[in-house]
Amino acid sequence: QKEVEQNSGPLSVPEGAIASLNCTYSDRGSQSFFWYRQYSGKSPELIMSIYSNGDKEDGRFTAQLNKASQYVSLLIRDSQPSDSATYLCALDNYGQNFVFGPGTRLSVLP
Amino acid sequence: NAGVTQTPKFQVLKTGQSMTLQCAQDMNHNSMYWYRQDPGMGLRLIYYSASEGTTDKGEVPNGYNVSRLNKREFSLRLESAAPSQTSVYFCASSDRGLAGGETQYFGPGTRLLVL
Repeated sequence: QKEVEQNSGPLSVPEGAIASLNCTYSDRGSQSFFWYRQYSGKSPELIMSIYSNGDKEDGRFTAQLNKASQYVSLLIRDSQPSDSATYLCALDNYGQNFVFGPGTRLSVLP
Repeated sequence: NAGVTQTPKFQVLKTGQSMTLQCAQDMNHNSMYWYRQDPGMGLRLIYYSASEGTTDKGEVPNGYNVSRLNKREFSLRLESAAPSQTSVYFCASSDRGLAGGETQYFGPGTRLLVL
């Protein structure tokens, strides 16, 4: 069974700071990775996907992938209180389904 | 375009009762999924259907059955509910024509309490 690990948090950062969320995975053959955001009581929504080593930027969000070290991270620049949520890391299980990590709870303090 | 819809939104059952959770998507997606989410456990896959007419077990299938009624609809049935099945259930769909590069779209969830 593939495993995806995340620090459950809560991770607290002040407004305007950079929030760094990390995820490690067990299967070296995994190719596609995703970050979902989930507000309390709501369903997950996709923030970013990343497939190649390196960085991928989208607005205030940057996903970083290092397949050799088997980790993927999400950086949130200029964090806002509205970014307070649980962030789920997921990987594609060889095109069959997705495997999700337990999530990291982020709290951005005004 | 409603995306992924789920019914009911909330349900209370007594131990041993049965119920079916309904899910429908209007995005013409091939694949559909049922997850449960418990505090600190993240999303765990119960069953999935890669295409109409096929279903496969996920990580936690015991105590559940599914039916892919047609391309739009994928239902989850609890034959004899147990308190351990108290959870939030999410249905999702995606178009998995190619491995990777696909997004899962989630429904709003069903909150189930088994007494």
